[in-house]
Amino acid sequence: NAGVTQTPKFQVLKTGQSMTLQCAQDMNHNSMYWYRQDPGMGLRLIYYSASEGTTDKGEVPNGYNVSRLNKREFSLRLESAAPSQTSVYFCASSDRDRGLEKLFFGSGTQLSVL
Amino acid sequence: GESVGLHLPTLSVQEGDNSIINCAYSNSASDYFIWYKQESGKGPQFIIDIRSNMDKRQGQRVTVLLNKTVKHLSLQIAATQPGDSAVYFCAESTPFYNQGGKLIFGQGTELSVKP
Repeated sequence: NAGVTQTPKFQVLKTGQSMTLQCAQDMNHNSMYWYRQDPGMGLRLIYYSASEGTTDKGEVPNGYNVSRLNKREFSLRLESAAPSQTSVYFCASSDRDRGLEKLFFGSGTQLSVL
Repeated sequence: GESVGLHLPTLSVQEGDNSIINCAYSNSASDYFIWYKQESGKGPQFIIDIRSNMDKRQGQRVTVLLNKTVKHLSLQIAATQPGDSAVYFCAESTPFYNQGGKLIFGQGTELSVKP
């Protein structure tokens, strides 16, 4: 059982380049999330999707867009990468709408923007 | 906005001792709390959770204590092992109808276990 799978694991971009981080879960969860993790800052929510077809902004959405492609997949796009977006990105899923807030995380994508 | 914070950013313990990691929260409306363990280069892993109608919950070698009066949460690890070395995060969530029920994470405490 794979759980939450993220790709790529590592990525280096130049300022202004674009890229999409992919995430898929096989647990039939309705809710999916994108977090970023910076040293000393904990995990901060970028965007989330409570169910297929809906997305909402989190704490730090600026510079990002998301797509809930179907129930399994939730992608995060950086249209014009900036050095401030250098971070580790985590995708997560949960069954929050059934009162189960426990998040299951992927292994992360380490992104460097030069 | 509300925040979740940790009293101690680092904790060093001897193998076999008990560890206590503390967490303060400020949102009195939070009704669900959770602890995660994150090893280097990996995503956070669920350890244990607790709802606000409880003050204690036990798992395998771990216990979470909730003191709503002082808005304090703690994670106790019994007989700490080298494999417990990691960063531990607490997180809180408000009810779904209030702020969407999203998990808000603290900054983390790094636990180092000396053999």
